[in-house]
Amino acid sequence: QSALTQPASVSGSPGQSITISCTGTSSDVGGYNYVSWYQQHPGKAPKLMIYDVSDRPSGVSIRFSGSKSGNTASLTISGLQAEDEADYYCSSFTTSSTYVFGTGTKVTVL
Amino acid sequence: EVLLVESGGGLAQPGGSLRLSCAASGFTFSSYAMGWVRQAPGKGLEWVSIISNSGSSTYYADSVKGRFTISRDNSRNTLYLQMNSLRAEDTAVYYCASRYAVNKAFDYWGQGTLVTVSS
Repeated sequence: QSALTQPASVSGSPGQSITISCTGTSSDVGGYNYVSWYQQHPGKAPKLMIYDVSDRPSGVSIRFSGSKSGNTASLTISGLQAEDEADYYCSSFTTSSTYVFGTGTKVTVL
Repeated sequence: EVLLVESGGGLAQPGGSLRLSCAASGFTFSSYAMGWVRQAPGKGLEWVSIISNSGSSTYYADSVKGRFTISRDNSRNTLYLQMNSLRAEDTAVYYCASRYAVNKAFDYWGQGTLVTVSS
């Protein structure tokens, strides 16, 4: 159950687009289309942003989108805004019916 | 409105025990799987455990297997995490989370309860 690999930090200017990668194995990311993404602001509980690779829960901005290719999933934030500055974690359901989270990415809005 | 409220956190000694509770409201608790996720101070999220809606199926992270037990009381709309043989590395904020409107993700989260393991 090794953590999924994410870049430690990603930054962008307001209005730009950024992409966060999430690399796993064929036992997790590559095994199912059950990748999810969470946003966490300091001192707050995580918030689900994307589930099932590319679906958005009700109320989540369309600026957030997800995709997957092989063992790597990606989260793209378009039209970057100040409130998007937060930590982002990917997660995947695994072939052992467990879950694994990513190492986390700090997004900075310049 | 879905609401999850954790309790039971606090200070425990190494080798000691603690039981966390998560009171759920705003949805039909007995219909949905529930889980625990933790976050050590300044660190990332770590999945801990999940239990099916009926309680018949449970799964654990390798780091807690054999020491932690997840359970639920559907009559009380409450989720539990019994933590035994606690170690310093179990120090974390523990969140309960539901798999409510989505299949394999956690869409509602509690505010978390802090567990500190120290002598």
